[in-house]
Amino acid sequence: NAGVTQTPKFQVLKTGQSMTLQCAQDMNHEYMSWYRQDPGMGLRLIHYSVGAGITDQGEVPNGYNVSRSTTEDFPLRLLSAAPSQTSVYFCASSYSDRVETQYFGPGTRLLVL
Amino acid sequence: EDKVVQSPLSLVVHEGDTVTLNCSYEVTNFRSLLWYKQEKKAPTFLFMLTSSGIEKKSGRLSSILDKKELFSILNITATQTGDSAIYLCAGWGRGSARQLTFGSGTQLTVLP
Repeated sequence: NAGVTQTPKFQVLKTGQSMTLQCAQDMNHEYMSWYRQDPGMGLRLIHYSVGAGITDQGEVPNGYNVSRSTTEDFPLRLLSAAPSQTSVYFCASSYSDRVETQYFGPGTRLLVL
Repeated sequence: EDKVVQSPLSLVVHEGDTVTLNCSYEVTNFRSLLWYKQEKKAPTFLFMLTSSGIEKKSGRLSSILDKKELFSILNITATQTGDSAIYLCAGWGRGSARQLTFGSGTQLTVLP
């Protein structure tokens, strides 16, 4: 099993550009989530999904879109990048409601100029 | 609004020392408190605590929860340089968003 994979590992964007952060898992997990982590802060939930076709907002959803067309993939779209979105982004997945089984991907470091 | 506060923010010790990391929480419909270790990359799960007073142990690490005082501690005995990391705690509430609320973490540095 590859676990949770994220691409790209690092990306530089200009203000106003759009892009998609990819996340995939091969563990057949129902739950998937996107977090961002800023210096000196813990992880904050952006969006999450409890299964294919079902998504919901987390704590900091503004400026981001998600979709879940398959169990395996959960892409995060930045609609119009802003410097405030400079951060490290983690995707995570888990079995059903068992949060202790949550696996995190390696992260994507995003710099918005 | 749910809140998780960790202290200290950073800690520098020498190998062999024992450290105690603190985590206080205010989480609506609290369900569990989780501890993670984060080295260069993604957080890795250490413990989940649901009941008060029951210590969880894994080698030199142990953790306990006090649901009355809304508090948890993570102890690391006989620290090693490999323990250097950010330690995160997170509260899990039975809210509609099914989310973890993370603290800002404690940066632990263990010197040889």
